[in-house]
Amino acid sequence: DGGITQSPKYLFRKEGQNVTLSCEQNLNHDAMYWYRQDPGQGLRLIYYSQIVNDFQKGDIAEGYSVSREKKESFPLTVTSAQKNPTAFYLCASTAPGLPNTEAFFGQGTRLTVV
Amino acid sequence: QKEVEQDPGPLSVPEGAIVSLNCTYSNSAFQYFMWYRQYSRKGPELLMYTYSSGNKEDGRFTAQVDKSSKYISLFIRDSQPSDSATYLCAWDHTGANSKLTFGKGITLSVRP
Repeated sequence: DGGITQSPKYLFRKEGQNVTLSCEQNLNHDAMYWYRQDPGQGLRLIYYSQIVNDFQKGDIAEGYSVSREKKESFPLTVTSAQKNPTAFYLCASTAPGLPNTEAFFGQGTRLTVV
Repeated sequence: QKEVEQDPGPLSVPEGAIVSLNCTYSNSAFQYFMWYRQYSRKGPELLMYTYSSGNKEDGRFTAQVDKSSKYISLFIRDSQPSDSATYLCAWDHTGANSKLTFGKGITLSVRP
């Protein structure tokens, strides 16, 4: 089955630690996105990548980093510089061509700082 | 001014009610308009998509766009408990750095 897989589903991090969230897709999509979702805040864009080896900052990139070495993979690292990392993180991808009308989302990773 | 504003929630209605969900936007470059539905602890899924002013129907759902007023709405007729979810409006354009922009979302609860 084609889709987007995020792992882990739940993640606990100690203060001061970096953690990496995994996102893999087998849809052959070029564009991939990372969103953060907090209660009452909707989806806020962290980073996005339109093509391999290229990515752009979204609206709330500070404290996060990404890489796009393969088309299928777009991991997100939450660094110790992110002051309030507890949130629900969603990865998405869109098919080639514009507009980006349909984004396919993973099931999310819930990150909690302990 | 924020690019996207969505009516605050949450919203609770009895089964069978007509529901109206609304968003406004400020960026005139937005050309394509979408509604996503998100069930609890799941990723959002595309519900409807439209690019022109006017109405688009899909079963019990109607998406309405007014580009002159920069206003979009989602109407749900004969609402069901299974419609209980968070609804997110979204926009995109075909210019440089095209990317989906989402509203804050409104949580709907349909009471049996």
